[in-house]
Amino acid sequence: QSALTQPASVSGSPGQSITISCTGTSSDVGGYNSVSWYQHHPGKAPKLMIYEVSNRPSGVSNRFSGSKSGNTASLTVSGLQAEDEADYYCSSYTRSSTLVFGGGTKLTVL
Amino acid sequence: EVQLLESGGGLVQPGGSLRLSCAGSGFTFSSYAMTWVRQAPGEGLRWVSGISGSDGSTYYADSVKGRFTISKDYSKNTLYLQMNSLRAEDTAVYYCAKCVGGIASGMDVWGQGTTVTVSS
Repeated sequence: QSALTQPASVSGSPGQSITISCTGTSSDVGGYNSVSWYQHHPGKAPKLMIYEVSNRPSGVSNRFSGSKSGNTASLTVSGLQAEDEADYYCSSYTRSSTLVFGGGTKLTVL
Repeated sequence: EVQLLESGGGLVQPGGSLRLSCAGSGFTFSSYAMTWVRQAPGEGLRWVSGISGSDGSTYYADSVKGRFTISKDYSKNTLYLQMNSLRAEDTAVYYCAKCVGGIASGMDVWGQGTTVTVSS
């Protein structure tokens, strides 16, 4: 199972909005509403930010939102804050009944 | 509070075995799927294995199929990962995670990770 495709890095200034893409195939992202997004600060446990494409867990800021179109899912972070700086990973359920992650995107807040 | 605590990591020689444990608290193990995810040094997150909450169906990444076995003890609320025929490329931090519901639903609670090093 090939990893989902994410940009290696994105950046934005405080207060701005950024979007991270996650591209797969019809066998994973495009075939299921089972895309999740995780925030990962090095040395800490990953944190679920979005599940099932666009659902936000309790306690996650509404500045984080998710969407999907075809084989590409997206995570948008609005009103960027310094604490948003982290690695972000998407994942998707696949036709093989497995999960697959993206390669990760490093978000830098300038 | 829902918590997960991994243990069992360490240094092992190539070809050796190791069993990771993940003790859960604050939730009913049988109601949720559970997974193992790893992160090799300098790399991203990689899904390793999952087990459903209801019927105990198991799922594996191709890279570990036939070598790793996931299981859980409902009475102890503990998840396990038996790792055999370990290779250098299995070196990673291993995280256990609880799913929101089924295995496709996303992982909402994570442990702090346990480090596995495969080296002679």
